[in-house]
Amino acid sequence: DTAVSQTPKYLVTQMGNDKSIKCEQNLGHDTMYWYKQDSKKFLKIMFSYNNKELIINETVPNRFSPKSPDKAHLNLHINSLELGDSAVYFCASSQLGQETQYFGPGTRLLVL
Amino acid sequence: RKEVEQDPGPFNVPEGATVAFNCTYSNSASQSFFWYRQDCRKEPKLLMSVYSSGNEDGRFTAQLNRASQYISLLIRDSKLSDSATYLCVVNSGAGSYQLTFGKGTKLSVIP
Repeated sequence: DTAVSQTPKYLVTQMGNDKSIKCEQNLGHDTMYWYKQDSKKFLKIMFSYNNKELIINETVPNRFSPKSPDKAHLNLHINSLELGDSAVYFCASSQLGQETQYFGPGTRLLVL
Repeated sequence: RKEVEQDPGPFNVPEGATVAFNCTYSNSASQSFFWYRQDCRKEPKLLMSVYSSGNEDGRFTAQLNRASQYISLLIRDSKLSDSATYLCVVNSGAGSYQLTFGKGTKLSVIP
């Protein structure tokens, strides 16, 4: 069983479109994250979220919004996609109070 | 100064070699330190945590120097399967679960 899963695995879309990436974890973790890994391979946190608190990286444009329907899911919605949004987006999760994070397989987004 | 700095490499070493990676971090409040491994086109995975006393896991040894804000990873008897990018990771401070990743050091072990 996959611990942290993401869909879709690949996403190719036009500039200006709105898209969502889904993330699910079956580890029973309390905290979930979204990271962006750009073409230079730099992995940067975008959001961290648990039941009580959403922490947003200030550099993330407000076109990006996380949505959590329940503890096991944290989806990422992106409005008005731009060329610079092309990257690999990783979801991760951890147990509250523990720092080991478990990553999903990544979603490769290409904006044309 | 970048928060977590690593030599990007690539390090090309023959099988059986010993290789060392270094990392420096800027946040003196950081309390937890890790090495993650990322294979090509895959997700990062925890390799090992790094403790002040130093720790070893098989062929891998991690060291921490808090005074110098410096972390190292030593790989002995390199295997082909060790080829990957090694990411130095620190947390944002006491009680924080936010992690900051270095850009990674790429290792290629050559037959």
